[in-house]
Amino acid sequence: DTGVSQDPRHKITKRGQNVTFRCDPISEHNRLYWYRQTLGQGPEFLTYFQNEAQLEKSRLLSDRFSAERPKGSFSTLEIQRTEQGDSAMYLCASSHRKNEQFFGPGTRLTVL
Amino acid sequence: EDQVTQSPEALRLQEGESSSLNCSYTVSGLRGLFWYRQDPGKGPEFLFTLYSAGEEKEKERLKATLTKKESFLHITAPKPEDSATYLCAVRYNTDKLIFGTGTRLQVFP
Repeated sequence: DTGVSQDPRHKITKRGQNVTFRCDPISEHNRLYWYRQTLGQGPEFLTYFQNEAQLEKSRLLSDRFSAERPKGSFSTLEIQRTEQGDSAMYLCASSHRKNEQFFGPGTRLTVL
Repeated sequence: EDQVTQSPEALRLQEGESSSLNCSYTVSGLRGLFWYRQDPGKGPEFLFTLYSAGEEKEKERLKATLTKKESFLHITAPKPEDSATYLCAVRYNTDKLIFGTGTRLQVFP
């Protein structure tokens, strides 16, 4: 299977802890996107990369959130000092240039 | 500032009962309208991209159409396995997608 993969699939953490998620895009896709989805809502854009460059960040992305894509391959999304409001599904997508975005299975975060 | 509105929020159909889902948008300079299917607990699955008014795309029992202000996803003779949430998204000034809240479709045998 050569689709987008995300790890872990589920994460339970206590408030105040740091968490990090990983996304491996479809090979040769140069664009990688992060979205967040809460129950009953559509995915909400967080940030995206073209190769290793972070081109856009949502105003919703507080300074507790940071994303990287070293070497333009996999990406990590870190949330520091987690809050209960961070509980959501974190989705990663990739695309070849500006074409369709293909999503991974997501990482479900629960903050207790 | 709702830019993408989907209706209805939920739809219950009998197997074989055709219907349409609506996605209306208010952005200008549309650079693509996308339909995705999402099963519970999974990531969205890409279905269609539409770029210009009058364009249509088909896949099995699904057909997507686009006008200047809205898109329709027509479902012909649905089956229970078509049950899912259908998401609409638009791309306009950057490469990010702006999603609607989706239509939850349930098809009963």
